[in-house]
Amino acid sequence: QSALTQPASVSGSPGQSITISCTGTSSDVGGYNYVSWYQQHPGKAPKLMIYDVSNRPSGVSNRFSGSKSGNTASLTISGLQTEDEADYYCSSYTSSSTLFGGGTKLTVL
Amino acid sequence: EVQLVQSGAEVKKPGESLKISCKASGYSFTGFWIGWVRQMPGKGLEWMGIIYPGDSDTRYSPSFQGQVTISADKSISTAYLQWSSLKASDTAMYYCARSAAYYYDSSGFSDWGQGTLVTVSS
Repeated sequence: QSALTQPASVSGSPGQSITISCTGTSSDVGGYNYVSWYQQHPGKAPKLMIYDVSNRPSGVSNRFSGSKSGNTASLTISGLQTEDEADYYCSSYTSSSTLFGGGTKLTVL
Repeated sequence: EVQLVQSGAEVKKPGESLKISCKASGYSFTGFWIGWVRQMPGKGLEWMGIIYPGDSDTRYSPSFQGQVTISADKSISTAYLQWSSLKASDTAMYYCARSAAYYYDSSGFSDWGQGTLVTVSS
């Protein structure tokens, strides 16, 4: 099983919107509506931002949204804020386990 | 409040054994999956495996199958990750995390421990 593919880095200015992609296969991302997204600040544990492709846990800002098309899932952050600067990881359920993406470093310029 | 409290940092030598723990509180321990995630220094997250304490059903990533053992003791609401013979390449931060959904393991991890740093060096 290979890790899901994410861009290594993305950047944006405060107030802008950015999208992070997460590409898998029909055996993971494309085969299940069970994609999650996590935010991780340096030295901290990951935080669940999106689950089941597009659902936000209680307490997560509605600036964060998720979607999926075919084998690619996406996380969109609108109205970028400096505190959004972090690493972001996607994950997908598979029939036998769960896969993470390689991670994307978001820089808020 | 859901809490996952992990055991402290460990420094071990290659070939030694190790068992780290994750004590859960604030919810029904037997109703949610507990998973383990590795993060090597400066690297990304890796899903290692998961256990359902209700019946000890355990699943491993193919990458970690046979390399580690995941277990749980529901009498003390604690999950474990253990190695029988550590390697230098096991040096990493290890997180335990609870499934977001009751009974199902498919919706990601909603709650995380603080992490246990394992250093393996001769």
